[in-house]
Amino acid sequence: KQEVTQIPAALSVPEGENLVLNCSFTDSAIYNLQWFRQDPGKGLTSLLLIQSSQREQTSGRLNASLDKSSGRSTLYIAASQPGDSATYLCAVGGDTGRRALTFGSGTRLQVQP
Amino acid sequence: NAGVTQTPKFRVLKTGQSMTLLCAQDMNHEYMYWYRQDPGMGLRLIHYSVGEGTTAKGEVPDGYNVSRLKKQNFLLGLESAAPSQTSVYFCASAGLAGGGELFFGEGSRLTVL
Repeated sequence: KQEVTQIPAALSVPEGENLVLNCSFTDSAIYNLQWFRQDPGKGLTSLLLIQSSQREQTSGRLNASLDKSSGRSTLYIAASQPGDSATYLCAVGGDTGRRALTFGSGTRLQVQP
Repeated sequence: NAGVTQTPKFRVLKTGQSMTLLCAQDMNHEYMYWYRQDPGMGLRLIHYSVGEGTTAKGEVPDGYNVSRLKKQNFLLGLESAAPSQTSVYFCASAGLAGGGELFFGEGSRLTVL
């Protein structure tokens, strides 16, 4: 059974700092990995989608990497801003038949002004 | 763009009552999902559908039923609500194209007293 772990569970940084969020998964037979942002009381917003054949994806100040062989992904946020404060969720897709995602518990990020 | 719409957004039930959550997507997606999110935990898959008229069980299906009579709609039913079903419920959809990217609704917060 796939298990997804996100470390740390919570993180507080000063504005402007570059930071890395970590995600690990136990079964490397995945077909994609998706990073989401969730604001309190809100739904999930897709940030980046990495296919299993890709090593990284970039969108603005965000960069996500994928190392399938080691079962790891990182989300790099450059020059963090208070508006980046949210919970970040990592999810892996392991079954192309149903295309469902298995989620980690998330990293709650607070960027201090 | 509506995307994925869930109704209702909030509901309070008494133990033993029944209710139905409605999910509607306007992206012509084949795949639809119901997840639940509990404090400190990632999202867990309840049921899913890979096409109109099909449904299947996810990780935590007990106490729930689903139907997908129309491609754009996915209904989640609770026949006899229990306090353990107090949670936030998210619906998601994915298309055949797009590399398996999931799109989520805003969530439905259910409290069972």
